[in-house]
Amino acid sequence: DVKVTQSSRYLVKRTGEKVFLECVQDMDHENMFWYRQDPGLGLRLIYFSYDVKMKEKGDIPEGYSVSREKKERFSLILESASTNQTSMYLCASSVPASGNTIYFGEGSWLTVV
Amino acid sequence: AQKVTQAQTEISVVEKEDVTLDCVYETRDTTYYLFWYKQPPSGELVFLIRRNSFDEQNEISGRYSWNFQKSTSSFNFTITASQVVDSAVYFCALSGSNTGNQFYFGTGTSLTVIP
Repeated sequence: DVKVTQSSRYLVKRTGEKVFLECVQDMDHENMFWYRQDPGLGLRLIYFSYDVKMKEKGDIPEGYSVSREKKERFSLILESASTNQTSMYLCASSVPASGNTIYFGEGSWLTVV
Repeated sequence: AQKVTQAQTEISVVEKEDVTLDCVYETRDTTYYLFWYKQPPSGELVFLIRRNSFDEQNEISGRYSWNFQKSTSSFNFTITASQVVDSAVYFCALSGSNTGNQFYFGTGTSLTVIP
């Protein structure tokens, strides 16, 4: 079974803090993704990576950066957390062939106060 | 443009009722893939089904069935004899042949099954 693990399920951070959300997958997938989920807005893509050290912006990259130093690990960084970044963050991975299924982690609930 | 619309925001049914979740999509790709995911309260999105655009056969898996109709650009999901454990948010998603790295999700339908 594919396993995507997000290091933190629940976090509370203060405005202005730097926040790291970590994600690890165990299926040797080339593609990894970070989504943000908000009520009524569904899932919105923040960044995705198709290889080590490679990344592309998604629909809402502002205020976020990512790091992929190893194939299995994809980190989402909030350089200076703001209250409007309070949300559920979902990491996912997939094989980079057309039509391949994307697999998700359990999500990280981030509250910025 | 790629787009997925789930017009039903919230649905409530009484246990054992049947329920259909609607999904309408837009794409210019001739080859594309459609997905359904379930998100229980725990948060993880669980993969349910994948369908490619060349396979319009309906599929049944236990109490779940899917109706794919290219003519109406719809990929609807029916749960028969619903159970409380079916309570979740359900997402429909689209991936195109030219956008293999991109998935387009609907806004989700929250299903509550009342015992």
